[in-house]
Amino acid sequence: SQTIHQWPATLVQPVGSPLSLECTVEGTSNPNLYWYRQAAGRGLQLLFYSVGIGQISSEVPQNLSASRPQDRQFILSSKKLLLSDSGFYLCAWSVVAGAPHTGELFFGEGSRLTVL
Amino acid sequence: QKEVEQNSGPLSVPEGAIASLNCTYSDRGSQSFFWYRQYSGKSPELIMSIYSNGDKEDGRFTAQLNKASQYVSLLIRDSQPSDSATYLCAVGRGYSTLTFGKGTMLLVSP
Repeated sequence: SQTIHQWPATLVQPVGSPLSLECTVEGTSNPNLYWYRQAAGRGLQLLFYSVGIGQISSEVPQNLSASRPQDRQFILSSKKLLLSDSGFYLCAWSVVAGAPHTGELFFGEGSRLTVL
Repeated sequence: QKEVEQNSGPLSVPEGAIASLNCTYSDRGSQSFFWYRQYSGKSPELIMSIYSNGDKEDGRFTAQLNKASQYVSLLIRDSQPSDSATYLCAVGRGYSTLTFGKGTMLLVSP
């Protein structure tokens, strides 16, 4: 069966520090991968998605970046964190079946980031 | 701009009652529809998917889709306190990524 893992689960970082969140998927190949952010009391905001190795699409311009160095690995990074980057970051995957984004989306456990 | 609207709630129901959660969407060409459950502090969990008009039942859950009215709902029968969570509606179309609603909080009282 397929599983998705994210780490770290929680982190507290000072403003201006770098960030790296990692996500891996097991039990499937060539998944679509997604990074979402959920700020307190707000909805899910899509940050990046990837339909293949090295292919990254950005939904919202900001100081974050994403990379997909391997088929089942997705990394979210920042060189300098802002206070507004605080939130619950969620990695997700879906099987590419027909149209790329109509498949079921499965989320990892999430990474809670607090920027002080 | 595609929109998915949900009443934020909270929707309060007594244990054993039917909870009815509603969602409307703006993109008439939407093809796929999902309901996620999110417990406080946890990640969303997929509970139902529906792709064609009508009802789809899975245990205590029934998803209902009416594309003409651009309306999708989730019914939870015999509601339990463990069903207390925020329920997210998500809508997809072709080569566009899913659009999520902001969720409805459900509170089931014993």
